[in-house]
Amino acid sequence: GAVVSQHPSWVICKSGTSVKIECRSLDFQATTMFWYRQFPKQSLMLMATSNEGSKATYEQGVEKDKFLINHASLTLSTLTVTSAHPEDSSFYICSARSQKNTEAFFGQGTRLTVV
Amino acid sequence: DAKTTQPTSMDCAEGRAANLPCNHSTISGNEYVYWYRQIHSQGPQYIIHGLKNNETNEMASLIITEDRKSSTLILPHATLRDTAVYYCIAETSGSRLTFGEGTQLTVNP
Repeated sequence: GAVVSQHPSWVICKSGTSVKIECRSLDFQATTMFWYRQFPKQSLMLMATSNEGSKATYEQGVEKDKFLINHASLTLSTLTVTSAHPEDSSFYICSARSQKNTEAFFGQGTRLTVV
Repeated sequence: DAKTTQPTSMDCAEGRAANLPCNHSTISGNEYVYWYRQIHSQGPQYIIHGLKNNETNEMASLIITEDRKSSTLILPHATLRDTAVYYCIAETSGSRLTFGEGTQLTVNP
């Protein structure tokens, strides 16, 4: 399968600071990228969908000003958690899909801990 | 998005076939059935997908009933490394993937 890489794998930050997570498709062009959040013992919750070159579409209840998504190229999308709070601590996962494939491929996830 | 229903958990003996069922009785004609799995603390891994016909790849087989209201993912020879949460998703091609609770498969030695 295609390879999607996330960076960093884990990060600890202080309350009030911002954290950027990168998601890269390494061997294909990702026309669409998705960002998910997963709390312990729960399923993945879709946060937003982004298409290259356009604004992200956020799911209901997800604050777009708090979770900034940029999909400036066909191989890179970033998620910035702004003014992080302890309740933002979670496992953040991206996935990417190319124009020709129906399946999406996932990154390894980023464990965010806000202290 | 068609709703899918999966058992919460299943057990399987190592070396035996694991058959994971999924019910998607409201699936529409243009919705695919996707299967992903998630091993603890990792991102989901794509397994297989299909529309109408049965599919097979190096990881698994997907059997879709003729009326498309249910499907079964088959891992022919389960290993301990197949222990994971398995998600069945019914979505149209190119749309976003929304995850349910999935099935926790435990492969026992």
